Amino acid sequence: DAGVIQSPRHEVTEMGQEVTLRCKPISGHDYLFWYRQTMMRGLELLIYFNNNVPIDDSGMPEDRFSAKMPNASFSTLKIQPSEPRDSAVYFCASSSVPGLAGASYNEQFFGPGTRLTVL
Amino acid sequence: LAKTTQPISMDSYEGQEVNITCSHNNIATNDYITWYQQFPSQGPRFIIQGYKTKVTNEVASLFIPADRKSSTLSLPRVSLSDTAVYYCLVGDRVQTGANNLFFGTGTRLTVIP
Repeated sequence: DAGVIQSPRHEVTEMGQEVTLRCKPISGHDYLFWYRQTMMRGLELLIYFNNNVPIDDSGMPEDRFSAKMPNASFSTLKIQPSEPRDSAVYFCASSSVPGLAGASYNEQFFGPGTRLTVL
Repeated sequence: LAKTTQPISMDSYEGQEVNITCSHNNIATNDYITWYQQFPSQGPRFIIQGYKTKVTNEVASLFIPADRKSSTLSLPRVSLSDTAVYYCLVGDRVQTGANNLFFGTGTRLTVIP
């Protein structure tokens, strides 16, 4: 398996523009997570899905952020309009329920991240 | 509300054993303790998970006392490649809410030649 795939790897945009980050989870995983990482706040959970349904979006900072998972193999995180304070590395991760699909723990598999810079 | 507390940073020389302690005073009966490692420019990766006593794998050991209010990640004979940020997480084995997924800022381990 190729692991969790994220695109783009780097994104530079100007304030006010729409940004869309993409994620392909590992096939067979039931959970998908979006995280944001900054030096000041560390790694923060934004939202997570179970079987394509958003379960907890309490970490989404503002209405400017939205996430969708139209099917089991694709998710997007959108920021509209973007602001300089949104600059961060955004990670997507996936996992499966322990005991299912051969998983022993609720191990999350992370993608390489998207480094977003908003000017 | 943070569920775990760990040191912000640690330094160690190559070849030494490193122990990183995490406090989780409010750990619940069903909670497991999980550690992740993150190298620069990469996403975190799972290292080890345990419930009580001691767990060992090819990467590390995890020591958990009887009261489970703390845990210690032990890295034997560290090398320069062990320089990374280490995160301690506490939560249900099955994700039941965002509280289980608090990574925070972790412990930045720097291994010195």
